Amino acid sequence: ETGVTQSPTHLIKTRGQQVTLRCSSQSGHNTVSWYQQALGQGPQFIFQYYREEENGRGNFPPRFSGLQFPNYSSELNVNALELDDSALYLCASRGTTGVNTEAFFGQGTRLTVV
Amino acid sequence: AQSVTQLDSQVPVFEEAPVELRCNYSSSVSVYLFWYVQYPNQGLQLLLKYLSGSTLVKGINGFEAEFNKSQTSFHLRKPSVHISDTAEYFCAVSPIQGAQKLVFGQGTRLTINP
Repeated sequence: ETGVTQSPTHLIKTRGQQVTLRCSSQSGHNTVSWYQQALGQGPQFIFQYYREEENGRGNFPPRFSGLQFPNYSSELNVNALELDDSALYLCASRGTTGVNTEAFFGQGTRLTVV
Repeated sequence: AQSVTQLDSQVPVFEEAPVELRCNYSSSVSVYLFWYVQYPNQGLQLLLKYLSGSTLVKGINGFEAEFNKSQTSFHLRKPSVHISDTAEYFCAVSPIQGAQKLVFGQGTRLTINP
């Protein structure tokens, strides 16, 4: 079990609503990444935060936004939810920004948009 | 850009038999390579990674993988599987320079039959 915790574990929202997902990174980790995993697919990179600044972004629209706080915890916000946003959202933290260091994943938040 | 193809979506094997999960990748730049495992209702756990050096990499739970640069492959192997190895396995790459993200394949579901 990693020290990365995500909340909530499950969530149901209506199309058009907004949602906030939370991630508490492992102690001492200053880099947090978010991934979207649709059913039956591999995770897709949304964005990464390092010391409260976004330092990488995948091919996701601006309605996907995030924050990282001074304690390195993070939020993923999604506005104007669409049915295709239904997925498992994974947070990963690492001790440095270097991709060669291990990323530790949380158990994910399963979002269902109806 | 990078892409990862896992050649088998499902692999059924009998307990104590050997298994190979195949992974090919495409990238215009040098990459690091990873294998992750995902157990039901859990996040991803790193099995092993190739950064440099010996092309045969050993990981946790008796898994190993071989990097073949000429064939752009990174196949995962285990000589004798157990029921507890039943899970989804993901191959991933990440560029050594630039964008710090993991690009995943679509996954291979490994099912171990008694």
